[in-house]
Amino acid sequence: AQTVTQSQPEMSVQEAETVTLSCTYDTSESDYYLFWYKQPPSRQMILVIRQEAYKQQNATENRFSVNFQKAAKSFSLKISDSQLGDAAMYFCALQETSGSRLTFGEGTQLTVNP
Amino acid sequence: DTGVSQDPRHKITKRGQNVTFRCDPISEHNRLYWYRQTLGQGPEFLTYFQNEAQLEKSRLLSDRFSAERPKGSFSTLEIQRTEQGDSAMYLCASTKGRSSYEQYFGPGTRLTVT
Repeated sequence: AQTVTQSQPEMSVQEAETVTLSCTYDTSESDYYLFWYKQPPSRQMILVIRQEAYKQQNATENRFSVNFQKAAKSFSLKISDSQLGDAAMYFCALQETSGSRLTFGEGTQLTVNP
Repeated sequence: DTGVSQDPRHKITKRGQNVTFRCDPISEHNRLYWYRQTLGQGPEFLTYFQNEAQLEKSRLLSDRFSAERPKGSFSTLEIQRTEQGDSAMYLCASTKGRSSYEQYFGPGTRLTVT
């Protein structure tokens, strides 16, 4: 069974600083997909960044980057130059085959302090 | 706004009543997913469709729950004989198909069972 664990229920960061959110997962598949989704208060969940397990290069999207450690089954999200609009609940998610269901972690509530 | 809509946004019902929620995906998306999210937790998968075919159902989807996508467009999720434990946010997501990785989420329907 696939599982995703986020061990940081809450994190805070100063505006313009960098923060890293942690995620570990378990799957028996060798090819799979990992995601970070952002859920702002009372707003729809949106995709932040994705990583295909067969790719060794870590994904980057503007201020967001990941550290994907396949052997350790670790997938952390780094947010650089944090902005007030980054404040949200962040979910790590695993998808074992393209187009199939997502398995989410418990989430990390990120607060950005001005 | 991701383009996925859900109706109603909020539903309060008494225990034992039946409720039905609707999801309208992005028009060209042929896969549609239902998730349930309880307070402070990550979304949990319920079921998903490719066009009108229901491809997978979670064990969470008891026999009181039924989902349909009759014409491969909108979908409905019905809960019969609601229980207080059904109180949650019900999220819908859609994607273009098997090769598409990003699931676009709707705003959710918040169900409160009193």
